[in-house]
Amino acid sequence: GENVEQHPSTLSVQEGDSAVIKCTYSDSASNYFPWYKQELGKRPQLIIDIRSNVGEKKDQRIAVTLNKTAKHFSLHITETQPEDSAVYFCAASMGYQKVTFGTGTKLQVIP
Amino acid sequence: NAGVTQTPKFQVLKTGQSMTLQCAQDMNHNSMYWYRQDPGMGLRLIYYSASEGTTDKGEVPNGYNVSRLNKREFSLRLESAAPSQTSVYFCASSEKGSRDGYTFGSGTRLTVV
Repeated sequence: GENVEQHPSTLSVQEGDSAVIKCTYSDSASNYFPWYKQELGKRPQLIIDIRSNVGEKKDQRIAVTLNKTAKHFSLHITETQPEDSAVYFCAASMGYQKVTFGTGTKLQVIP
Repeated sequence: NAGVTQTPKFQVLKTGQSMTLQCAQDMNHNSMYWYRQDPGMGLRLIYYSASEGTTDKGEVPNGYNVSRLNKREFSLRLESAAPSQTSVYFCASSEKGSRDGYTFGSGTRLTVV
Protein backbone atom coordinates (compact mmCIF):
# COMPACT_ATOMS: atom_id res chain seq x y z
CA GLY A 1 0.00 0.00 0.00
CA GLU A 2 0.87 3.67 -0.07
CA ASN A 3 3.34 5.08 2.47
CA VAL A 4 3.64 8.83 3.05
CA GLU A 5 6.55 10.33 4.97
CA GLN A 6 6.40 13.91 6.23
CA HIS A 7 9.10 16.24 7.56
CA PRO A 8 9.71 18.04 9.81
CA SER A 9 7.53 16.87 12.68
CA THR A 10 7.72 20.31 14.31
CA LEU A 11 8.49 23.71 12.82
CA SER A 12 8.79 27.10 14.48
CA VAL A 13 8.96 30.29 12.43
CA GLN A 14 8.79 34.00 13.15
CA GLU A 15 5.65 35.76 12.05
CA GLY A 16 6.10 36.97 8.49
CA ASP A 17 8.63 34.29 7.57
CA SER A 18 7.93 31.39 5.23
CA ALA A 19 7.32 27.78 6.22
CA VAL A 20 7.96 24.69 4.11
CA ILE A 21 6.72 21.17 4.83
CA LYS A 22 7.94 18.27 2.73
CA CYS A 23 6.42 14.87 1.97
CA THR A 24 7.37 11.82 -0.03
CA TYR A 25 5.14 9.01 -1.22
CA SER A 26 5.85 5.47 -2.32
CA ASP A 27 3.13 4.44 -4.78
CA SER A 28 3.75 5.78 -8.27
CA ALA A 29 0.05 5.23 -9.03
CA SER A 30 -0.98 7.97 -6.58
CA ASN A 31 -2.34 10.97 -8.42
CA TYR A 32 -4.06 13.12 -5.82
CA PHE A 33 -2.25 14.98 -3.03
CA PRO A 34 -4.34 16.94 -0.53
CA TRP A 35 -3.15 18.95 2.45
CA TYR A 36 -5.16 19.24 5.66
CA LYS A 37 -4.88 21.70 8.51
CA GLN A 38 -5.91 20.71 12.03
CA GLU A 39 -6.18 23.39 14.67
CA LEU A 40 -5.87 22.36 18.30
CA GLY A 41 -8.83 20.27 19.39
CA LYS A 42 -10.57 20.53 16.04
CA ARG A 43 -11.17 18.36 13.02
CA PRO A 44 -8.82 18.31 10.00
CA GLN A 45 -9.89 20.53 7.12
CA LEU A 46 -8.76 20.52 3.51
CA ILE A 47 -6.74 23.62 2.64
CA ILE A 48 -5.33 22.83 -0.80
CA ASP A 49 -4.74 19.89 -3.11
CA ILE A 50 -2.86 19.07 -6.29
CA ARG A 51 -3.19 16.45 -8.96
CA SER A 52 -0.31 14.64 -10.61
CA ASN A 53 -0.74 16.40 -13.94
CA VAL A 54 0.08 19.75 -12.31
CA GLY A 55 3.47 20.81 -10.94
CA GLU A 56 2.42 23.72 -8.77
CA LYS A 57 -0.73 25.29 -7.39
CA LYS A 58 -1.19 28.52 -5.42
CA ASP A 59 -3.99 29.88 -3.26
CA GLN A 60 -3.18 33.23 -1.73
CA ARG A 61 -0.36 32.63 0.80
CA ILE A 62 -0.17 28.87 0.36
CA ALA A 63 1.29 26.89 -2.51
CA VAL A 64 1.95 23.24 -3.21
CA THR A 65 4.57 21.80 -5.51
CA LEU A 66 4.78 18.27 -6.86
CA ASN A 67 7.75 16.41 -8.32
CA LYS A 68 6.20 13.25 -9.68
CA THR A 69 9.52 11.79 -10.81
CA ALA A 70 11.04 12.07 -7.36
CA LYS A 71 7.70 11.35 -5.60
CA HIS A 72 8.07 14.53 -3.54
CA PHE A 73 5.50 17.18 -2.77
CA SER A 74 5.69 20.24 -0.54
CA LEU A 75 3.53 22.86 1.14
CA HIS A 76 4.78 26.45 1.19
CA ILE A 77 3.23 29.09 3.42
CA THR A 78 4.43 32.65 2.91
CA GLU A 79 4.04 35.65 5.22
CA THR A 80 3.07 33.39 8.10
CA GLN A 81 0.57 34.64 10.67
CA PRO A 82 -0.24 33.39 14.20
CA GLU A 83 -3.47 31.85 12.90
CA ASP A 84 -1.38 29.56 10.68
CA SER A 85 -0.27 27.74 13.86
CA ALA A 86 -1.71 24.23 13.58
CA VAL A 87 -0.83 20.67 12.62
CA TYR A 88 -0.57 20.14 8.87
CA PHE A 89 -1.02 16.74 7.22
CA CYS A 90 -0.02 15.81 3.71
CA ALA A 91 -1.74 12.88 2.06
CA ALA A 92 -1.75 10.83 -1.12
CA SER A 93 -4.22 8.65 -2.94
CA MET A 94 -5.14 7.17 -6.28
CA GLY A 95 -8.32 8.96 -7.12
CA TYR A 96 -9.95 11.20 -4.56
CA GLN A 97 -10.79 8.54 -2.01
CA LYS A 98 -9.06 6.42 0.62
CA VAL A 99 -6.18 8.78 1.22
CA THR A 100 -3.05 7.84 3.16
CA PHE A 101 -1.90 10.56 5.54
CA GLY A 102 1.56 11.62 6.62
CA THR A 103 2.42 11.81 10.31
CA GLY A 104 1.83 15.55 10.57
CA THR A 105 3.86 18.74 11.12
CA LYS A 106 3.15 20.97 14.08
CA LEU A 107 3.72 24.53 12.91
CA GLN A 108 4.20 27.26 15.48
CA VAL A 109 4.23 30.87 14.30
CA ILE A 110 5.90 33.10 16.86
CA PRO A 111 4.49 36.64 16.99
CA ASN B 1 -26.53 21.43 7.51
CA ALA B 2 -24.57 19.43 10.10
CA GLY B 3 -22.06 17.70 7.76
CA VAL B 4 -20.63 14.70 9.64
CA THR B 5 -21.87 14.01 13.15
CA GLN B 6 -20.06 11.69 15.52
CA THR B 7 -21.20 10.42 18.89
CA PRO B 8 -20.08 10.27 21.60
CA LYS B 9 -17.45 13.01 21.87
CA PHE B 10 -15.72 11.44 24.87
CA GLN B 11 -15.76 7.92 26.30
CA VAL B 12 -13.87 6.01 28.96
CA LEU B 13 -13.99 2.23 28.79
CA LYS B 14 -12.57 -0.52 30.94
CA THR B 15 -10.44 -3.17 29.26
CA GLY B 16 -12.69 -5.82 27.77
CA GLN B 17 -15.79 -3.64 27.47
CA SER B 18 -17.46 -3.10 24.12
CA MET B 19 -18.88 0.00 22.50
CA THR B 20 -20.05 1.41 19.19
CA LEU B 21 -19.03 4.77 17.79
CA GLN B 22 -21.74 6.30 15.65
CA CYS B 23 -21.28 8.44 12.54
CA ALA B 24 -23.85 10.02 10.27
CA GLN B 25 -23.50 12.38 7.30
CA ASP B 26 -26.16 14.46 5.59
CA MET B 27 -24.25 15.35 2.41
CA ASN B 28 -25.40 12.33 0.39
CA HIS B 29 -21.80 11.14 0.12
CA ASN B 30 -21.17 7.61 -1.09
CA SER B 31 -17.91 6.98 0.76
CA MET B 32 -17.31 6.94 4.50
CA TYR B 33 -14.21 6.26 6.58
CA TRP B 34 -13.00 5.65 10.11
CA TYR B 35 -9.54 6.89 11.07
CA ARG B 36 -7.70 6.88 14.36
CA GLN B 37 -5.29 9.62 15.32
CA ASP B 38 -2.38 8.97 17.64
CA PRO B 39 0.47 11.34 18.55
CA GLY B 40 3.30 11.15 16.04
CA MET B 41 1.44 8.69 13.84
CA GLY B 42 -0.93 10.88 11.91
CA LEU B 43 -4.30 9.59 10.79
CA ARG B 44 -4.48 5.87 10.09
CA LEU B 45 -7.36 4.27 8.22
CA ILE B 46 -9.23 1.60 10.16
CA TYR B 47 -12.08 0.72 7.77
CA TYR B 48 -13.83 2.38 4.91
CA SER B 49 -16.99 1.99 2.89
CA ALA B 50 -16.78 3.03 -0.74
CA SER B 51 -20.54 2.82 -1.12
CA GLU B 52 -23.63 1.61 0.69
CA GLY B 53 -23.42 -2.14 1.23
CA THR B 54 -19.63 -2.42 1.00
CA THR B 55 -16.89 -2.24 3.63
CA ASP B 56 -13.15 -2.84 3.41
CA LYS B 57 -10.24 -3.02 5.78
CA GLY B 58 -7.78 -0.20 6.01
CA GLU B 59 -4.32 -0.05 7.51
CA VAL B 60 -5.19 -0.93 11.15
CA PRO B 61 -8.44 -2.99 11.24
CA ASN B 62 -7.58 -5.47 14.01
CA GLY B 63 -9.89 -5.22 17.01
CA TYR B 64 -12.59 -3.31 15.13
CA ASN B 65 -15.71 -4.03 13.12
CA VAL B 66 -17.88 -1.71 11.07
CA SER B 67 -21.41 -1.54 9.74
CA ARG B 68 -22.63 0.62 6.89
CA LEU B 69 -26.20 0.77 8.09
CA ASN B 70 -27.42 2.87 5.16
CA LYS B 71 -26.02 5.62 2.98
CA ARG B 72 -25.97 8.09 5.88
CA GLU B 73 -24.60 5.99 8.73
CA PHE B 74 -21.33 4.15 9.31
CA SER B 75 -20.62 2.74 12.76
CA LEU B 76 -17.40 1.46 14.33
CA ARG B 77 -17.53 -1.24 17.00
CA LEU B 78 -14.92 -2.27 19.52
CA GLU B 79 -15.88 -5.75 20.71
CA SER B 80 -13.32 -6.05 23.53
CA ALA B 81 -11.54 -2.78 24.16
CA ALA B 82 -7.79 -2.77 24.86
CA PRO B 83 -5.56 0.05 26.17
CA SER B 84 -3.87 0.15 22.72
CA GLN B 85 -7.18 1.40 21.34
CA THR B 86 -6.93 4.60 23.35
CA SER B 87 -7.02 7.22 20.62
CA VAL B 88 -9.01 9.95 18.93
CA TYR B 89 -11.34 8.50 16.33
CA PHE B 90 -12.49 10.48 13.31
CA CYS B 91 -15.23 9.60 10.90
CA ALA B 92 -15.12 11.18 7.46
CA SER B 93 -17.08 11.14 4.24
CA SER B 94 -16.38 12.02 0.64
CA GLU B 95 -17.92 11.84 -2.78
CA LYS B 96 -16.28 9.92 -5.60
CA GLY B 97 -14.97 12.29 -8.20
CA SER B 98 -15.34 15.30 -5.96
CA ARG B 99 -12.42 17.68 -5.36
CA ASP B 100 -13.95 18.78 -2.04
CA GLY B 101 -11.87 16.25 -0.11
CA TYR B 102 -12.91 14.63 3.10
CA THR B 103 -15.41 16.14 5.49
CA PHE B 104 -14.45 15.05 8.98
CA GLY B 105 -16.59 14.68 12.06
CA SER B 106 -15.54 16.39 15.28
CA GLY B 107 -13.90 13.26 16.66
CA THR B 108 -14.36 10.87 19.59
CA ARG B 109 -11.72 10.82 22.30
CA LEU B 110 -11.64 7.26 23.65
CA THR B 111 -9.68 6.18 26.70
CA VAL B 112 -9.39 2.51 27.62
CA VAL B 113 -8.20 1.87 31.15
